[in-house]
Amino acid sequence: DVKVTQSSRYLVKRTGEKVFLECVQDMDHENMFWYRQDPGLGLRLIYFSYDVKMKEKGDIPEGYSVSREKKERFSLILESASTNQTSMYLCASSPVERGWHTEAFFGQGTRLTVV
Amino acid sequence: DAKTTQPPSMDCAEGRAANLPCNHSTISGNEYVYWYRQIHSQGPQYIIHGLKNNETNEMASLIITEDRKSSTLILPHATLRDTAVYYCIVLSGGTSYGKLTFGQGTILTVHP
Repeated sequence: DVKVTQSSRYLVKRTGEKVFLECVQDMDHENMFWYRQDPGLGLRLIYFSYDVKMKEKGDIPEGYSVSREKKERFSLILESASTNQTSMYLCASSPVERGWHTEAFFGQGTRLTVV
Repeated sequence: DAKTTQPPSMDCAEGRAANLPCNHSTISGNEYVYWYRQIHSQGPQYIIHGLKNNETNEMASLIITEDRKSSTLILPHATLRDTAVYYCIVLSGGTSYGKLTFGQGTILTVHP
């Protein structure tokens, strides 16, 4: 089975801290994504990556950065955490077959609270 | 990518078929229809996708109208574990990025 693993299920950080959220997939997928999910706003794409060292901004990249040094690992970085970044963060990966998207596999999510 | 419209909520009796509609009237020729669901406290899960032909897998069936402006996801024998938010997403074919844009979805409640 495809597995997308997020490093923490729950995380509490202080305002101003630098926060790293880690995501690892074990199926050699080309695409990886970071979403956040908030009540009433649904899932919103923060960043995505279609190859090692490649990244593209999603719909809400402000306050975030990403790193993809290895194909299996995609990190989301909050440079200076703020309370409005309290949210559920979801990582996903998907393969590219014949240049087309097939299905995305999601991790269990990290519930981040910034106090 | 085309926008989708789904009812905010639906109910279904356990053991009956659940038919979840989705309107995508601005869909273009190379755009696929994808369905995902999200069970409470879990990440979204892929269900099925299609272009213009009806599709079936072990989880569900997808019926796309001939004009492709709407589709229906069918769970043939709904169980309590099918209670979830169901998302209909339209995505351009041929893109290698597969950037999924989730709307509000339909909250399906399966009751005994």
